[in-house]
Amino acid sequence: KQEVTQIPAALSVPEGENLVLNCSFTDSAIYNLQWFRQDPGKGLTSLLLIQSSQREQTSGRLNASLDKSSGRSTLYIAASQPGDSATYLCAVNAAGNKLTFGGGTRVLVKP
Amino acid sequence: NAGVTQTPKFQVLKTGQSMTLQCAQDMNHEYMSWYRQDPGMGLRLIHYSVGAGITDQGEVPNGYNVSRSTTEDFPLRLLSAAPSQTSVYFCASSYQTGMPEAFFGQGTRLTVV
Repeated sequence: KQEVTQIPAALSVPEGENLVLNCSFTDSAIYNLQWFRQDPGKGLTSLLLIQSSQREQTSGRLNASLDKSSGRSTLYIAASQPGDSATYLCAVNAAGNKLTFGGGTRVLVKP
Repeated sequence: NAGVTQTPKFQVLKTGQSMTLQCAQDMNHEYMSWYRQDPGMGLRLIHYSVGAGITDQGEVPNGYNVSRSTTEDFPLRLLSAAPSQTSVYFCASSYQTGMPEAFFGQGTRLTVV
């Protein structure tokens, strides 16, 4: 059974510092991996989708890498801002679009 | 472009009552699914559908029923609500193949008393 872990569970950084969020998964036979952002009391907003054949994806200040063989993905957020404060979730699509989620990393960016 | 729309946003039920959570998408996605989010448990798949007329169970299907009569709609029915079903429910949709990026609704916060 696929298991997805996100460490740390919470992270607090000063504004301007780069954020590094980790996601690990137990079964490397994945179709794709998706990073989401969730604000308190809100839904999930898709940030980046990485196909299994890709090594990384970039969107603005966000960069996500994927190492399938080691079962890891990392989300980098450059030059963090207070508006980046949220919970970040990674989800693995192993088959049939059924997503397995990690527990999330709660990020606080202090002004 | 509305994306994935869920109604209601909040609901309080008494134990034993039934209700339907509505989900609609306007992106012509084949795949739709329901998740519940609980503290310490993350998001877990309840039911999913790969197209109109086709549904299947996810990880935690007990106590829930679904149907898919159209591509756009995928309602989730609670047959007899229990306090253990207190949760936040999310509906998601995506294309079945290609680049199946999942899009989520804003959620329904359900409390069963």
